[in-house]
Amino acid sequence: QVQLVESGGGVVQPGTSLRLSCAASGFTFRNYGMHWVRQAPGKGLEWVSIIWYDGSNKYYADSVKGRFTISRDNSKNTLFLQMDSLRAEDTAVYYCARWTSTRLDWWGQGTLVTVSS
Amino acid sequence: QSALTQPPSVSGSPGQSVTISCTGTSSDVDSYNRVSWYQQPPGTAPKLMIYDVSNRPSGVPDRFSGSKSGNTASLTISGLQAEDEADYYCSSYTTGTLNVVFGGGTKLTVL
Repeated sequence: QVQLVESGGGVVQPGTSLRLSCAASGFTFRNYGMHWVRQAPGKGLEWVSIIWYDGSNKYYADSVKGRFTISRDNSKNTLFLQMDSLRAEDTAVYYCARWTSTRLDWWGQGTLVTVSS
Repeated sequence: QSALTQPPSVSGSPGQSVTISCTGTSSDVDSYNRVSWYQQPPGTAPKLMIYDVSNRPSGVPDRFSGSKSGNTASLTISGLQAEDEADYYCSSYTTGTLNVVFGGGTKLTVL
């Protein structure tokens, strides 16, 4: 059974950093691209970033470009999102999701990041 | 502002059919048959319901169907059930700055 478990969320002050992790199991992690998608409280889904199966390509939403870095460790079946220079508008539940060809077919339960002074 | 446009809400009675629209542009919906639909009941993670415009993953009831015409995709839920009450999001591959773009979401209420 495919499982994606996010961790690393919490309450942080503006301007600080946080690193999210997504532990994958139940499938061959190194064969799949992975995404981060976030959802601000009471709002819709916002795509954040994608990383190719081998880490060779990475893309970011304009809202996080230059501040967030996506990475992965295929030997540990883990996806990461390094978030720097956090802003209040980054407050959201962050989901990792598996990318299968043309869709996000499995999602984790999400981890809440709150940026507040 | 979301790149794909969905109605904020739709409603229907049990047994009825409802259709949710998703309007994009020539850079996304109109150019690719890579429209997906996700269901998100309150307090839960999104779940894939339709992919590549009209395909259903294993386990999704055939009451859920998808279609596309030009730059507008649609999700139809027939034989509405109480358990269908949720937020629904469309998404599409895009040639723009985003790899994936979502709609703003539609809240389905089962009366």
